Amino acid sequence: EDQVTQSPEALRLQEGESSSLNCSYTVSGLRGLFWYRQDPGKGPEFLFTLYSAGEEKEKERLKATLTKKESFLHITAPKPEDSATYLCAVRLTTDSWGKFQFGAGTQVVVTP
Amino acid sequence: ETGVTQSPTHLIKTRGQQVTLRCSSQSGHNTVSWYQQALGQGPQFIFQYYREEENGRGNFPPRFSGLQFPNYSSELNVNALELDDSALYLCASSLPSGGAEQYFGPGTRLTVT
Repeated sequence: EDQVTQSPEALRLQEGESSSLNCSYTVSGLRGLFWYRQDPGKGPEFLFTLYSAGEEKEKERLKATLTKKESFLHITAPKPEDSATYLCAVRLTTDSWGKFQFGAGTQVVVTP
Repeated sequence: ETGVTQSPTHLIKTRGQQVTLRCSSQSGHNTVSWYQQALGQGPQFIFQYYREEENGRGNFPPRFSGLQFPNYSSELNVNALELDDSALYLCASSLPSGGAEQYFGPGTRLTVT
């Protein structure tokens, strides 16, 4: 069964304290791995797409990496405005267009 | 470029009623997916539409149905509402490429009492 697991469930950071979020997956065929940011009560905001092991993407204080079994979202020197829930999703090859399967998310709180 | 929009923002319905939620795709996107997100959970895939036809469905009963129109806007219909249907309903649009990212609307918060 295809599974996407995110850890930790919640993370509390001091401003400037770097950390990493994990997204591990066991899927039969991966068409892409996606990271989203979601603020409370709002729709997810697209951050990155990763397609193959070894690929890295960066945006401001965020950097996403991908291996054959997991992806990491590194947050460098976070600020309070980085507080959000971070979701990862995989797109599968098992159907013609590939449905998205999401993890449960990691809730990040950054305090001043 | 116009992003994904959804209406209404909030909705309160009674158990057993029917509801219709609406979504307008991002400009140029002809694939629409709908998700249900319970509090504290990740979005769960309901179904996807491409060229006005459903081409993928998650583990949701037939009382969840949808439509896509020629202008790529979409509707999600839920019949015989149950209390467990209370959730944030998200619409996402994308290009049809299998590896394309999806862009989400702000969601509709449905409360069933």
